[in-house]
Amino acid sequence: AQKITQTQPGMFVQEKEAVTLDCTYDTSDPSYGLFWYKQPSSGEMIFLIYQGSYDQQNATEGRYSLNFQKARKSANLVISASQLGDSAMYFCAMSSWNRDDKIIFGKGTRLHILP
Amino acid sequence: DAGVTQSPTHLIKTRGQHVTLRCSPISGHKSVSWYQQVLGQGPQFIFQYYEKEERGRGNFPDRFSARQFPNYSSELNVNALLLGDSALYLCASSLGGGLIGELFFGEGSRLTVL
Repeated sequence: AQKITQTQPGMFVQEKEAVTLDCTYDTSDPSYGLFWYKQPSSGEMIFLIYQGSYDQQNATEGRYSLNFQKARKSANLVISASQLGDSAMYFCAMSSWNRDDKIIFGKGTRLHILP
Repeated sequence: DAGVTQSPTHLIKTRGQHVTLRCSPISGHKSVSWYQQVLGQGPQFIFQYYEKEERGRGNFPDRFSARQFPNYSSELNVNALLLGDSALYLCASSLGGGLIGELFFGEGSRLTVL
């Protein structure tokens, strides 16, 4: 069975510091995709970054990068130079290229950026 | 361009009632998926539709059903509401038929069951 684990329910980080949000996953499918989404208090889920299981390089999108360690089944999100607007819930998610089109989300990490 | 729009934004129902939630995808997107997010949890996948056909279904009872219309908008129906159905229901649209890649989410419909 597929599973996403986010072990940090909450984090406090000083503004302008870098922050790493942890995500581990479990799947038996050889082809899968890993995602990170941001959910502000408004409720809307905002796509941040995507990593395919066969991608050779770690994905980067502006201040966001995904530290993909396939052997360890981890897909940590790194936010560089954090900003006050980064305060939100962050969800790691996974989907697979198999017969059942599904996507699963972790329980999330609430990030607080301190001024 | 308009993003994904959902209606209603908030609603209150009582146990046993029925609810219909609506979603309009981004123009040009042919896939719509639905999620239930209970307070303090991550979203749980309910359904995915592509070109009006069901492409995926999560572990939800038959009280949950959905459909997609020719204009690619979608409805999520929940019958015989239970207290545990209280949640934020999110709709997402995407260009392709799978759940790989960027999903564009609406702001959700917050359902409270009393």
